[in-house]
Amino acid sequence: DIQLTQSPSSLSASVGDRVTFTCRASQTVSTYLNWYQQKPGKAPKLLIYTASNLQSGVSSTFSGSGSGTDFNFTISSLQPEDFATYYCQQTYSTPFTFGPGTKVDVK
Amino acid sequence: EVQLVESGGGLVQPGGSLRLSCVASGFSLSTFPMNWVRQAPGKGLQWVSTVSGSGNVVHYVDSVKGRFTISRDNSKNTLFLQMNSLRVEDTASYYCVKSRSWYGGMDNWGQGTLVTVSS
Repeated sequence: DIQLTQSPSSLSASVGDRVTFTCRASQTVSTYLNWYQQKPGKAPKLLIYTASNLQSGVSSTFSGSGSGTDFNFTISSLQPEDFATYYCQQTYSTPFTFGPGTKVDVK
Repeated sequence: EVQLVESGGGLVQPGGSLRLSCVASGFSLSTFPMNWVRQAPGKGLQWVSTVSGSGNVVHYVDSVKGRFTISRDNSKNTLFLQMNSLRVEDTASYYCVKSRSWYGGMDNWGQGTLVTVSS
């Protein structure tokens, strides 16, 4: 099974900050890496699919990059509604594992 | 507009069974891969199962193999998860999720249904 690690596990930031966090796979997932945002009590929301493609309707302040085993997720200017937990997920091979998440909270 | 509405969760004793349902609207279930993803209280996301659009390909996480069965009724545009031999560790909110494509991320999520396995 492919394991995903995310770092940091949490970070504190302010509105307007640029934040970047990473997802690392235990073996190659090509570009089949997706990013989700989840707020407390809500279902996750797809933000980025296949490493760098912005899901329809999602703010362009979100972006993703990477291939193989190392991926980055960036919020170019943090907005109040962006405080949440972010998960990466690989859909290269089953089981379609999720990372443990990065929680972004208010500094 | 795509909508996914789950039902069937509840409290069940260890060893018991539950059948989750997910009624889809706004698209045809047979066109896209469909998934179940769960989240234990206060924990992260865990993929449980996927069925291909054709229904010919099915996968499960190891911890539920032989106990859970994913299925579809295309005539009712409904996805199911039959859960047998339930364990305390199966306690979670279960989400019905549509995929963009097999590799392309999970783009529509239901609101989740809570399954609690406890004596």
